[in-house]
Amino acid sequence: RKEVEQDPGPFNVPEGATVAFNCTYSNSASQSFFWYRQDCRKEPKLLMSVYSSGNEDGRFTAQLNRASQYISLLIRDSKLSDSATYLCVVLAGGGNKLTFGTGTQLKVEL
Amino acid sequence: ETGVTQTPRHLVMGMTNKKSLKCEQHLGHNAMYWYKQSAKKPLELMFVYNFKEQTENNSVPSRFSPECPNSSHLFLHLHTLQPEDSALYLCASSQDLRNTEAFFGQGTRLTVV
Repeated sequence: RKEVEQDPGPFNVPEGATVAFNCTYSNSASQSFFWYRQDCRKEPKLLMSVYSSGNEDGRFTAQLNRASQYISLLIRDSKLSDSATYLCVVLAGGGNKLTFGTGTQLKVEL
Repeated sequence: ETGVTQTPRHLVMGMTNKKSLKCEQHLGHNAMYWYKQSAKKPLELMFVYNFKEQTENNSVPSRFSPECPNSSHLFLHLHTLQPEDSALYLCASSQDLRNTEAFFGQGTRLTVV
């Protein structure tokens, strides 16, 4: 089983749609969780951290389900500029190893 | 402007060449990382340095040799690479090993011919 697993997509959605991505992780001792965004031919950048209580940043909502070992990202009112690859990232116990999923590609269309 | 700069941005090298990738961070961070990103695969952690000391070598072949002369600079020396080593090599830094936000450079796109 992969350490961090994501549906690679692509997800093609119209502008204004709501889209959700899920990610599962295998290490139950994982401590911290994140979503990074990577634009085509660019470096990954932190989008948001994922907290146990769930957190929201504008149109983006992240949630964590420790019992089922999955993380989700919800994007409301999609914009063309949201088109990118969204990387699920997990920090394993022990501290210094961020483990990345393969990413989910989102394409927002007119 | 990114706080982590990598040079060169693109590199084509033969299998018998020796080349080096350079990374410099202007963020005052203490931890630096090399990642490899191949098509259709997740980012693979290669090396971790904390306060100039290597803390992790993720089973990387010896044809990749890292060097960290100080907390701001990180090099990846390459020799006798194989075509399957062609990938995007990303450098990242973080405040320390427990600080979880990693800042990435724009990467070096390496092609081995």
